[in-house]
Amino acid sequence: TQLLEQSPQFLSIQEGENLTVYCNSSSVFSSLQWYRQEPGEGPVLLVTVVTGGEVKKLKRLTFQFGDARKDSSLHITAAQPGDTGLYLCAGGAPNSGYALNFGKGTSLLVTP
Amino acid sequence: GAGVSQTPSNKVTEKGKYVELRCDPISGHTALYWYRQSLGQGPEFLIYFQGTGAADDSGLPNDRFFAVRPEGSVSTLKIQRTERGDSAVYLCASSLTGGVVTEQFFGPGTRLTVL
Repeated sequence: TQLLEQSPQFLSIQEGENLTVYCNSSSVFSSLQWYRQEPGEGPVLLVTVVTGGEVKKLKRLTFQFGDARKDSSLHITAAQPGDTGLYLCAGGAPNSGYALNFGKGTSLLVTP
Repeated sequence: GAGVSQTPSNKVTEKGKYVELRCDPISGHTALYWYRQSLGQGPEFLIYFQGTGAADDSGLPNDRFFAVRPEGSVSTLKIQRTERGDSAVYLCASSLTGGVVTEQFFGPGTRLTVL
């Protein structure tokens, strides 16, 4: 069962464009993490958000955790080809122990 | 390097065979996790070790799957009587301590193909 729904599933844009990807759930999460995964590699952590309403910035990437801690968004400004990859959100649900629940991911392609 | 390593990188086996997948975590990391990632899906949690013991094995799909970490470092995921549906990338991750807020460092995965 996928607790986290990510949208869009695929996104193809040109260099310089802005984009937002979403991670939604009907469940409350104690924290949410965003990862980026490239082909043949494991996911790499980008950010962890733990407080409802929290906004974190990582260079051109802005992450937001919803007030109710059920959703999150990732906004990329002026996308570059190096941003290409699979973006995964993962949440630690209350009472789930140490298991991370991952969404299916958003596959982003940025063309020059 | 100092990252998580997994061997083999690719494993092709026949239905019904037994396979072992190995994970070498980052030195000093007490927590180790196994995930499975099928095509077009996000990683799916299998099992979590804290030290030598399996603290949470609720994600193992059935009793054909078993994992050990006898000395609190290297871990082996064992799959008996493999089925075609077991084909996936098996990811290992480690973290300094346990917990969903701590950063998990992932290995490159083992791609298992069951013919």
